[in-house]
Amino acid sequence: EPEVTQTPSHQVTQMGQEVILRCVPISNHLYFYWYRQILGQKVEFLVSFYNNEISEKSEIFDDQFSVERPDGSNFTLKIRSTKLEDSAMYFCASRGQAPNQPQHFGDGTRLSIL
Amino acid sequence: AQTVTQSQPEMSVQEAETVTLSCTYDTSESDYYLFWYKQPPSRQMILVIRQEAYKQQNATENRFSVNFQKAAKSFSLKISDSQLGDAAMYFCAYRKANNQGGKLIFGQGTELSVKP
Repeated sequence: EPEVTQTPSHQVTQMGQEVILRCVPISNHLYFYWYRQILGQKVEFLVSFYNNEISEKSEIFDDQFSVERPDGSNFTLKIRSTKLEDSAMYFCASRGQAPNQPQHFGDGTRLSIL
Repeated sequence: AQTVTQSQPEMSVQEAETVTLSCTYDTSESDYYLFWYKQPPSRQMILVIRQEAYKQQNATENRFSVNFQKAAKSFSLKISDSQLGDAAMYFCAYRKANNQGGKLIFGQGTELSVKP
């Protein structure tokens, strides 16, 4: 069964550095998402992406964050000038065209900011 | 704004028994989707079951079923014949139907433990 893949599984970065989290969505999916889960808390929506542009973003997704689909397969989340509070699990998800299709999640990237 | 509430931070069930996890939500929309996701210790997010709001029939997937009460805005998950592998964090999630972005709004989660 096709799945969403995320790399790396764990990223350790010094505060102030930039990180890029990578995702390969399911190949025929058209909607892409990033979510964040701070340890012990609920999953929070960051951004959705459709037709090569952001379709919706949360208040968390400020100028520090950006997303890109650089080619036909990858979907990346860039975090500039990381802060301690950016430490979290970041999940990528994708969804097919039909409105009733569920989102399929990757295994997540654990981001640790030191 | 839509919200999802899971009022049970932790639940416990004996192996082979049945357990029900509660979820309520608040929305002014008439058309939407509801989901239960499972997050085992490995931290993956695995879809358990989904329900379309326009369908009156409750969704079932093998040992998992939901009790969808649209008027009460309630969406509980019943796990029958609980297995050790069911131990995980369970998240209820809502998605508006007519929304280009289609973001999921999650509840706080219920940690389910299964006793042998």
